Amino acid sequence: EPEVTQTPSHQVTQMGQEVILRCVPISNHLYFYWYRQILGQKVEFLVSFYNNEISEKSEIFDDQFSVERPDGSNFTLKIRSTKLEDSAMYFCASSARDREADTQYFGPGTRLTVL
Amino acid sequence: KNEVEQSPQNLTAQEGEFITINCSYSVGISALHWLQQHPGGGIVSLFMLSSGKKKHGRLIATINIQEKHSSLHITASHPRDSAVYICAAPSNFGNEKLTFGTGTRLTIIP
Repeated sequence: EPEVTQTPSHQVTQMGQEVILRCVPISNHLYFYWYRQILGQKVEFLVSFYNNEISEKSEIFDDQFSVERPDGSNFTLKIRSTKLEDSAMYFCASSARDREADTQYFGPGTRLTVL
Repeated sequence: KNEVEQSPQNLTAQEGEFITINCSYSVGISALHWLQQHPGGGIVSLFMLSSGKKKHGRLIATINIQEKHSSLHITASHPRDSAVYICAAPSNFGNEKLTFGTGTRLTIIP
């Protein structure tokens, strides 16, 4: 069964460093998402991406964050200068259908630890 | 902004018991998602439903769109059902961001 994959599974970085989290969505999906979950808290929406551009972003997704689909298969989240409060589990998700509510398939997550 | 509330926050039950987890949301939506988060953190989509009831194995999800309420039931619960169960509502524009509930931590004791 097709699945969303994410790399790395765990990333440790120093405050102020740039990190890139990578995701490979399911191949025929059209909508892509990044969510994050700070330890002990609920999952929060960061950004959605469709047709090679951001379709919606949350207040969390400030200028330090960017997303890209560089080669038609990978979907990346970059944090330009990490802060301690960026430590969280980051989930990528994808869904198939255009402009209709549909199941979102989640990757296994990347645990980001900022020291 | 949609507010998604779940109850209970924690639930411990004996193996074999019938489990019910409730979800309510503040803004009318076209569909609701139920998700399962494993102890390791991974999230699996269980159901996406827009009306009535859906069943998958021992899991049953129901939704009442007018009352803005959904329930997830587990029949003949088993220790492997122990996980966090989360409901999530999409934005009204469809296929956009999910707003997540806080989750219900379910523990099934053998």
